[in-house]
Amino acid sequence: DAKTTQPTSMDCAEGRAANLPCNHSTISGNEYVYWYRQIHSQGPQYIIHGLKNNETNEMASLIITEDRKSSTLILPHATLRDTAVYYCIVSNNAGNMLTFGGGTRLMVKP
Amino acid sequence: GAVVSQHPSWVICKSGTSVKIECRSLDFQATTMFWYRQFPKQSLMLMATSNEGSKATYEQGVEKDKFLINHASLTLSTLTVTSAHPEDSSFYICSARDLAGSSYEQYFGPGTRLTVT
Repeated sequence: DAKTTQPTSMDCAEGRAANLPCNHSTISGNEYVYWYRQIHSQGPQYIIHGLKNNETNEMASLIITEDRKSSTLILPHATLRDTAVYYCIVSNNAGNMLTFGGGTRLMVKP
Repeated sequence: GAVVSQHPSWVICKSGTSVKIECRSLDFQATTMFWYRQFPKQSLMLMATSNEGSKATYEQGVEKDKFLINHASLTLSTLTVTSAHPEDSSFYICSARDLAGSSYEQYFGPGTRLTVT
């Protein structure tokens, strides 16, 4: 699976949009981009995934660049409960396993 | 969404004893479950892939005789840490995929915190 690069940490003001970037320049054509988050001392929670089109669900939006070498997870109105480590993962899905990198520690501040 | 449970949520054991951790998919069937380990302030590291009815596949550096995995049914996988030592103290997390649902989501359990004294 392709490797991803994310900033170690980010801050965001409560109520504002949180934009979390991810670089995956070696992504293959059949690999999806997944986002998970892990709140302290809990198991990871699925957020969203995409192949090449932008995606939106009740939790977030995923913007994937046209060349697919990077993506951005957008939390439109961050709350204090969104404070967590966010993981961007690239996987071909067929292999099933997910390889977690360091993730971005998002701190939402009042 | 689908729910994966783990039991126990935390356990303290003495060095040299064995500990069994259960991972259950509550409302779906999972042919494959995954076991991860997470040390403080670190990311999740895949330990092994558990396949129902067959032997588990272990990642490089993970001792298969120390971390025994059994996946006897489509809803249950167990991880037994044998002869536990303090360095085995960690957060153990399992995950599973729903056979019948979306093939893209992997559901994670809440984790089991193991402390070996």
